[in-house]
Amino acid sequence: SQQGEEDPQALSIQEGENATMNCSYKTSINNLQWYRQNSGRGLVHLILIRSNEREKHSGRLRVTLDTSKKSSSLLITASRAADTASYFCATVLRTNDYKLSFGAGTTVTVRA
Amino acid sequence: DSGVTQTPKHLITATGQRVTLRCSPRSGDLSVYWYQQSLDQGLQFLIQYYNGEERAKGNILERFSAQQFPDLHSELNLSSLELGDSALYFCASSAGGGPDIQYFGAGTRLSVL
Repeated sequence: SQQGEEDPQALSIQEGENATMNCSYKTSINNLQWYRQNSGRGLVHLILIRSNEREKHSGRLRVTLDTSKKSSSLLITASRAADTASYFCATVLRTNDYKLSFGAGTTVTVRA
Repeated sequence: DSGVTQTPKHLITATGQRVTLRCSPRSGDLSVYWYQQSLDQGLQFLIQYYNGEERAKGNILERFSAQQFPDLHSELNLSSLELGDSALYFCASSAGGGPDIQYFGAGTRLSVL
């Protein structure tokens, strides 16, 4: 079963607009990570946010984490056609193994 | 380029057959993880090795097995293949055994006909 669930499942925006996607999870986490996957290719790590952090930035990406609501959001600002991809949140639980538990992903299409 | 190498990129085989997928982690990384991505199940964790030892097991079928060798490369063996095993298989590596960033290979696309 999947720990995280992303919302929305799909998102279509115009180039230059911002894209926001959300992730909810079920149990306490060590950290939450966001990955990007371009059509059937490997996953690229975007940001890791730890359970004691509330917000992180990386370039045009902003991630927030609300552990009381067990949710996270990823904001991509000033989107570009190259941002077209699927975005996955993945949680690492507070256990002795450190596997990633992925959500189903949000497919983002940026129209030129 | 993540530094994680997976071979082969594509594999087409028949039901009942056995295949081996290979993964070379990033230089210096001790942990290797295997994941399966399919349309119906999404991305699922299969198994983790740390410095040659099995660390954690996920939704890995008994027909599947893996190992990590002394040079830290890993192999995932899939046997008695079924149509439903068709999927993308990813290997990821991380520096240590902790909750670190995982770096993913490009994947092996397995098609069972």
